[in-house]
Order: sequence, then structure tokens, then C-alpha cells
Amino acid sequence: LAKTTQPISMDSYEGQEVNITCSHNNIATNDYITWYQQFPSQGPRFIIQGYKTKVTNEVASLFIPADRKSSTLSLPRVSLSDTAVYYCLVRNYGGATNKLIFGTGTLLAVQP
Amino acid sequence: EAGVVQSPRYKIIEKKQPVAFWCNPISGHNTLYWYLQNLGQGPELLIRYENEEAVDDSQLPKDRFSAERLKGVDSTLKIQPAELGDSAVYLCASSLSRDYEQYFGPGTRLTVT
Repeated sequence: LAKTTQPISMDSYEGQEVNITCSHNNIATNDYITWYQQFPSQGPRFIIQGYKTKVTNEVASLFIPADRKSSTLSLPRVSLSDTAVYYCLVRNYGGATNKLIFGTGTLLAVQP
Repeated sequence: EAGVVQSPRYKIIEKKQPVAFWCNPISGHNTLYWYLQNLGQGPELLIRYENEEAVDDSQLPKDRFSAERLKGVDSTLKIQPAELGDSAVYLCASSLSRDYEQYFGPGTRLTVT
């Protein structure tokens, strides 16, 4: 079963832009790419979702290349409160049954 | 508007005992998910419901795990008997449909001793 992989951790400083990439080379043809944020002892929280090219909302941007085998979550001007684990979620093509797969997660640590 | 409600928040049981988790999704959400999350890992889908129908349960260990979603609203996930390796956080999520974002509950932390 193909994995959905992310860097284990990233460090940043307040006010910087952070880009987190997810590799999903077996993504199903017609499914969205979704990113979630998770704080300790809480369930994941939706950040952004897209299918192709670029999507932007009030908190983030999502960049998806034409082959859709990866995606990049961009967080502009991070703050201390953005310290969390970030997950991508895709549906991987699995033959008869596509599998909904969370990425391995990236721990973002924002320092003052 | 209330979010996804799960109970209990914490549960400690001895191995071989049964345990059940309850989830109340956001009103109007047709799709309900149960996930298992081990420490330091991403959530793993156990089962997905569209209304009252289980449409994806391929990753549910059916020898000991069972789930139901009566009337297409609340859902219960059961483990019988529990094993030490079942210790994890069990997350419930709901969405309007499979293509919409999921809203997660706080999870139930299960410890099997």
C-alpha cells in the first residue's frame, strides 16, 4: 500500500512563511487533497482542501502540481499558536477499494 | 452549533474485557468516520458510514471490532475482547458527504492493561 509521506518535523520563527509538502504518488484520480491541524489531546481540525492548482483561504494556501502526486501547504506569517502537527489526507488508489490515508504528519515548531 | 461529541473521553480496561465508544455527529452530516490514532502517528480509518450504511470497513478488524450507526445518526464502536495493542485514541468524525471536510471529535483515549 503506497504511503502518504511528510517531513517528520519543521522549525520556524514567528512571522515567517512555512511550506509543508506531502508526497502522495498513488492518489486516486477524482479525490481531493485535504490538510488538517492537530493539537495535543484534540481531534484534527480542517485547514484547507483542493483538487488541483492553487487554493487559498483566510488561513493558508494549498499548491497542487498538475500530476497531483504531491501537495504543499503554505502558512503565511506563522505565530506561536501555529505550533502543531499537520497532516495531509488523500484517497489512494487501491484497485477495487480506494483507501483514505492520512499522511505521516509534520510537527511544526514555531519559535519566538 | 455543537461539534462532534464523543464519550467517554477516557477509558481504562483490562485485557479481554469489552469496551464501547459512542459518537454523536454534527446534525445533518451524512458521513461518519471512526479512526484509530496511535501515539505519534496519523489517524487510521477503521470504518466509514454513508447514512446508516457501512461503505468502507476494509480496515476494521472484524474478529473483535464491530460498529453500528442506527438511524444514520449516532454511532457506536465496540471492541470485544480488548487486547493490549488496542490502546490508542479512537476518533470519530463527520462530514456533509465524503467530498467535504471532516469535523473531528476530541477522541476517546483507551488504555488496555
